[in-house]
Amino acid sequence: SQQGEEDPQALSIQEGENATMNCSYKTSINNLQWYRQNSGRGLVHLILIRSNEREKHSGRLRVTLDTSKKSSSLLITASRAADTASYFCATDVPPGANSKLTFGKGITLSVRP
Amino acid sequence: NAGVMQNPRHLVRRRGQEARLRCSPMKGHSHVYWYRQLPEEGLKFMVYLQKENIIDESGMPKERFSAEFPKEGPSILRIQQVVRGDSAAYFCASSPPGGSKNIQYFGAGTRLSVL
Repeated sequence: SQQGEEDPQALSIQEGENATMNCSYKTSINNLQWYRQNSGRGLVHLILIRSNEREKHSGRLRVTLDTSKKSSSLLITASRAADTASYFCATDVPPGANSKLTFGKGITLSVRP
Repeated sequence: NAGVMQNPRHLVRRRGQEARLRCSPMKGHSHVYWYRQLPEEGLKFMVYLQKENIIDESGMPKERFSAEFPKEGPSILRIQQVVRGDSAAYFCASSPPGGSKNIQYFGAGTRLSVL
Protein backbone atom coordinates (compact mmCIF):
# COMPACT_ATOMS: atom_id res chain seq x y z
CA SER A 1 0.00 0.00 0.00
CA GLN A 2 1.10 3.58 -0.55
CA GLN A 3 2.91 5.23 2.33
CA GLY A 4 1.98 8.69 1.09
CA GLU A 5 -1.50 9.62 0.01
CA GLU A 6 -2.04 13.06 -1.46
CA ASP A 7 -5.23 15.01 -1.76
CA PRO A 8 -6.88 16.36 -3.68
CA GLN A 9 -6.09 14.15 -6.65
CA ALA A 10 -6.51 17.08 -8.99
CA LEU A 11 -6.57 20.81 -8.43
CA SER A 12 -7.36 23.57 -10.90
CA ILE A 13 -6.77 27.19 -9.97
CA GLN A 14 -6.36 30.58 -11.57
CA GLU A 15 -2.93 32.11 -11.98
CA GLY A 16 -2.11 34.23 -8.94
CA GLU A 17 -4.11 32.09 -6.53
CA ASN A 18 -2.55 29.89 -3.88
CA ALA A 19 -2.48 26.11 -4.21
CA THR A 20 -2.60 23.87 -1.16
CA MET A 21 -1.86 20.18 -1.45
CA ASN A 22 -1.98 17.65 1.36
CA CYS A 23 -0.21 14.39 2.03
CA SER A 24 -0.83 11.76 4.67
CA TYR A 25 1.39 8.85 5.54
CA LYS A 26 1.17 5.79 7.72
CA THR A 27 4.42 4.98 9.48
CA SER A 28 7.08 6.95 11.33
CA ILE A 29 9.32 8.85 8.97
CA ASN A 30 12.76 10.35 8.85
CA ASN A 31 12.13 12.99 6.20
CA LEU A 32 9.26 14.06 4.01
CA GLN A 33 9.92 15.56 0.62
CA TRP A 34 7.87 17.07 -2.16
CA TYR A 35 8.75 16.54 -5.80
CA ARG A 36 7.33 17.99 -8.99
CA GLN A 37 6.93 16.13 -12.26
CA ASN A 38 6.17 17.86 -15.51
CA SER A 39 4.38 15.76 -18.09
CA GLY A 40 6.66 13.12 -19.56
CA ARG A 41 9.64 14.20 -17.49
CA GLY A 42 11.54 13.06 -14.42
CA LEU A 43 10.95 14.27 -10.89
CA VAL A 44 12.46 17.44 -9.55
CA HIS A 45 13.08 17.84 -5.84
CA LEU A 46 11.30 20.86 -4.35
CA ILE A 47 11.70 20.82 -0.60
CA LEU A 48 12.57 18.51 2.28
CA ILE A 49 11.32 18.72 5.83
CA ARG A 50 12.77 16.63 8.61
CA SER A 51 10.60 14.81 11.12
CA ASN A 52 11.66 17.20 13.88
CA GLU A 53 10.69 20.29 11.86
CA ARG A 54 7.25 21.80 11.62
CA GLU A 55 7.55 24.29 8.79
CA LYS A 56 9.95 25.11 5.96
CA HIS A 57 9.97 27.83 3.34
CA SER A 58 11.63 28.00 -0.03
CA GLY A 59 10.71 30.88 -2.29
CA ARG A 60 6.99 30.59 -3.03
CA LEU A 61 6.82 27.19 -1.36
CA ARG A 62 5.79 26.54 2.21
CA VAL A 63 5.63 23.05 3.62
CA THR A 64 4.29 22.02 7.00
CA LEU A 65 4.58 18.75 8.83
CA ASP A 66 2.38 17.42 11.62
CA THR A 67 3.85 14.16 12.85
CA SER A 68 1.02 13.63 15.34
CA LYS A 69 -1.43 13.53 12.45
CA LYS A 70 1.06 11.99 10.04
CA SER A 71 0.34 14.67 7.49
CA SER A 72 2.04 17.37 5.49
CA SER A 73 0.88 20.22 3.33
CA LEU A 74 2.53 22.04 0.46
CA LEU A 75 1.47 25.59 -0.25
CA ILE A 76 2.43 27.31 -3.48
CA THR A 77 1.73 31.01 -3.27
CA ALA A 78 1.00 33.32 -6.19
CA SER A 79 0.79 30.40 -8.61
CA ARG A 80 1.97 30.67 -12.20
CA ALA A 81 1.05 28.75 -15.32
CA ALA A 82 4.52 27.20 -15.16
CA ASP A 83 3.56 25.54 -11.86
CA THR A 84 1.25 23.23 -13.81
CA ALA A 85 2.59 19.75 -13.04
CA SER A 86 2.06 16.70 -10.87
CA TYR A 87 3.22 16.96 -7.28
CA PHE A 88 4.27 14.01 -5.16
CA CYS A 89 5.11 13.64 -1.53
CA ALA A 90 7.76 11.08 -0.66
CA THR A 91 8.82 9.70 2.67
CA ASP A 92 11.71 7.70 3.95
CA VAL A 93 11.95 5.77 7.20
CA PRO A 94 14.74 5.83 9.74
CA PRO A 95 17.65 5.78 9.44
CA GLY A 96 16.77 7.76 6.32
CA ALA A 97 20.04 8.52 4.67
CA ASN A 98 20.42 6.80 1.32
CA SER A 99 17.29 4.70 1.53
CA LYS A 100 14.30 4.16 -0.68
CA LEU A 101 11.60 6.77 -1.03
CA THR A 102 7.93 5.87 -0.88
CA PHE A 103 5.75 8.05 -3.07
CA GLY A 104 2.08 8.87 -3.10
CA LYS A 105 0.01 8.79 -6.26
CA GLY A 106 0.41 12.48 -6.82
CA ILE A 107 -1.70 15.58 -7.28
CA THR A 108 -2.25 17.06 -10.71
CA LEU A 109 -2.16 20.83 -10.49
CA SER A 110 -3.44 22.94 -13.37
CA VAL A 111 -2.88 26.68 -13.23
CA ARG A 112 -5.02 28.59 -15.70
CA PRO A 113 -3.45 31.71 -17.18
CA ASN B 1 27.72 18.93 -13.88
CA ALA B 2 25.44 16.73 -15.91
CA GLY B 3 22.39 15.35 -14.19
CA VAL B 4 21.31 11.75 -14.05
CA MET B 5 21.42 10.36 -17.57
CA GLN B 6 19.13 7.60 -18.67
CA ASN B 7 19.02 5.89 -22.01
CA PRO B 8 17.25 5.11 -24.10
CA ARG B 9 14.42 7.58 -23.51
CA HIS B 10 11.99 5.33 -25.30
CA LEU B 11 12.26 1.60 -25.80
CA VAL B 12 9.90 -0.64 -27.73
CA ARG B 13 10.09 -4.39 -27.29
CA ARG B 14 7.96 -7.31 -28.37
CA ARG B 15 6.75 -9.82 -25.83
CA GLY B 16 9.50 -12.25 -24.93
CA GLN B 17 12.39 -9.93 -25.78
CA GLU B 18 14.85 -8.46 -23.33
CA ALA B 19 14.97 -4.83 -22.26
CA ARG B 20 18.11 -3.14 -20.98
CA LEU B 21 17.81 0.25 -19.35
CA ARG B 22 20.89 2.29 -18.52
CA CYS B 23 21.50 4.92 -15.90
CA SER B 24 24.56 7.06 -15.28
CA PRO B 25 24.36 8.81 -11.90
CA MET B 26 25.40 12.37 -11.24
CA LYS B 27 29.11 12.90 -10.83
CA GLY B 28 30.18 12.02 -7.32
CA HIS B 29 27.05 10.02 -6.57
CA SER B 30 27.61 6.43 -5.58
CA HIS B 31 24.01 5.47 -4.78
CA VAL B 32 21.54 4.52 -7.48
CA TYR B 33 17.82 3.79 -7.18
CA TRP B 34 15.39 2.43 -9.73
CA TYR B 35 11.68 3.21 -9.64
CA ARG B 36 8.79 2.22 -11.88
CA GLN B 37 5.83 4.43 -12.68
CA LEU B 38 2.63 3.16 -14.18
CA PRO B 39 0.24 5.63 -15.88
CA GLU B 40 -1.54 7.90 -13.40
CA GLU B 41 0.43 6.38 -10.52
CA GLY B 42 3.24 7.43 -8.26
CA LEU B 43 6.69 5.94 -8.42
CA LYS B 44 7.22 2.50 -6.90
CA PHE B 45 10.64 1.62 -5.55
CA MET B 46 12.37 -1.32 -7.18
CA VAL B 47 16.01 -1.53 -6.14
CA TYR B 48 18.80 0.43 -4.47
CA LEU B 49 22.42 -0.18 -5.42
CA GLN B 50 25.85 1.05 -4.57
CA LYS B 51 28.89 0.27 -6.66
CA GLU B 52 29.01 -3.51 -7.15
CA ASN B 53 26.44 -4.09 -4.39
CA ILE B 54 22.68 -4.47 -4.21
CA ILE B 55 21.60 -2.85 -0.97
CA ASP B 56 17.81 -3.19 -1.12
CA GLU B 57 15.91 -5.12 -3.76
CA SER B 58 12.65 -5.39 -1.84
CA GLY B 59 10.69 -3.85 -4.72
CA MET B 60 12.05 -6.03 -7.49
CA PRO B 61 9.83 -8.72 -8.98
CA LYS B 62 11.26 -12.12 -8.13
CA GLU B 63 11.56 -13.24 -11.72
CA ARG B 64 12.82 -11.71 -14.96
CA PHE B 65 14.14 -8.50 -13.37
CA SER B 66 17.73 -7.86 -12.38
CA ALA B 67 19.90 -4.85 -11.71
CA GLU B 68 23.58 -4.14 -11.45
CA PHE B 69 25.87 -1.20 -10.83
CA PRO B 70 29.37 -2.27 -11.84
CA LYS B 71 32.59 -0.68 -10.71
CA GLU B 72 32.90 0.95 -14.12
CA GLY B 73 30.03 2.07 -16.27
CA PRO B 74 26.35 2.78 -15.80
CA SER B 75 23.79 0.96 -13.74
CA ILE B 76 21.71 -1.47 -15.78
CA LEU B 77 18.14 -2.58 -15.16
CA ARG B 78 17.47 -5.71 -17.13
CA ILE B 79 14.07 -7.19 -17.86
CA GLN B 80 14.04 -10.59 -19.50
CA GLN B 81 11.15 -12.01 -21.50
CA VAL B 82 9.13 -8.82 -21.28
CA VAL B 83 5.35 -8.94 -21.01
CA ARG B 84 2.78 -6.23 -21.69
CA GLY B 85 2.48 -5.53 -17.98
CA ASP B 86 6.10 -4.36 -17.95
CA SER B 87 5.10 -1.32 -20.02
CA ALA B 88 5.84 1.66 -17.79
CA ALA B 89 8.21 4.53 -17.23
CA TYR B 90 11.36 3.48 -15.40
CA PHE B 91 13.20 6.18 -13.48
CA CYS B 92 16.66 6.12 -12.09
CA ALA B 93 17.76 8.39 -9.26
CA SER B 94 21.08 8.96 -7.59
CA SER B 95 22.27 10.47 -4.34
CA PRO B 96 25.64 11.31 -2.83
CA PRO B 97 27.07 9.17 -0.05
CA GLY B 98 26.57 10.02 3.60
CA GLY B 99 24.55 12.73 5.33
CA SER B 100 21.17 12.59 6.98
CA LYS B 101 19.22 13.97 4.08
CA ASN B 102 17.96 11.69 1.39
CA ILE B 103 17.43 13.96 -1.59
CA GLN B 104 17.43 11.92 -4.76
CA TYR B 105 18.09 13.34 -8.20
CA PHE B 106 16.08 11.81 -10.98
CA GLY B 107 16.75 11.15 -14.61
CA ALA B 108 14.19 11.82 -17.32
CA GLY B 109 13.20 8.15 -17.41
CA THR B 110 12.96 5.38 -19.95
CA ARG B 111 9.51 4.69 -21.31
CA LEU B 112 9.19 1.02 -22.12
CA SER B 113 6.44 -0.12 -24.43
CA VAL B 114 5.87 -3.83 -24.87
CA LEU B 115 3.94 -4.78 -28.00
